[in-house]
Amino acid sequence: SQQGEEDPQALSIQEGENATMNCSYKTSINNLQWYRQNSGRGLVHLILIRSNEREKHSGRLRVTLDTSKKSSSLLITASRAADTASYFCATDRVWSNTGKLIFGQGTTLQVKP
Amino acid sequence: EAQVTQNPRYLITVTGKKLTVTCSQNMNHEYMSWYRQDPGLGLRQIYYSMNVEVTDKGDVPEGYKVSRKEKRNFPLILESPSPNQTSLYFCASSYTGESYEQYFGPGTRLTVT
Repeated sequence: SQQGEEDPQALSIQEGENATMNCSYKTSINNLQWYRQNSGRGLVHLILIRSNEREKHSGRLRVTLDTSKKSSSLLITASRAADTASYFCATDRVWSNTGKLIFGQGTTLQVKP
Repeated sequence: EAQVTQNPRYLITVTGKKLTVTCSQNMNHEYMSWYRQDPGLGLRQIYYSMNVEVTDKGDVPEGYKVSRKEKRNFPLILESPSPNQTSLYFCASSYTGESYEQYFGPGTRLTVT
């Protein structure tokens, strides 16, 4: 079963607006990561938040983590057309050292110029 | 430049014809992994390797083999490809298997007819 599930599946906004994507997961984790994938290309790591962190920032990205609700959100502020991509959350499992990441289905973001 | 490379990027082959997809990383990472990405199923781990000569199955290992003779290389072998192995394949690496971001290759799009 999917560990991470993103919501919404698709999001369309105008350039300059903020985009918020949510991720829910099922089991306890060591960390949660967000990746971006441009159409048909490799995934690019955006940000990693550890289970003892609640919020993290990186440039225009803001990630929150609520371990009690087993959920995370990714906020992209002042979006640009170049942010058009699919965004995936990925989780590991607590006490796991297999490096296995479990990916959600992703949110497809379209930013219109 | 730190990177994960895969070859070939595109491959069309016929059922039963053995093939190898190469993966190489130049970051001295201990951990390497193979994923396949399919519409509606997301990314699923095929095999992973914690270090040289240490490999283990992921979620969907059937029909695949791997080897890790050198730290930098982690080839994926399809001994007898079948049409259900038509997919987009990604190699990834990270410093270790524990709680680190993973670096992904550009992907190999494989079609088996």
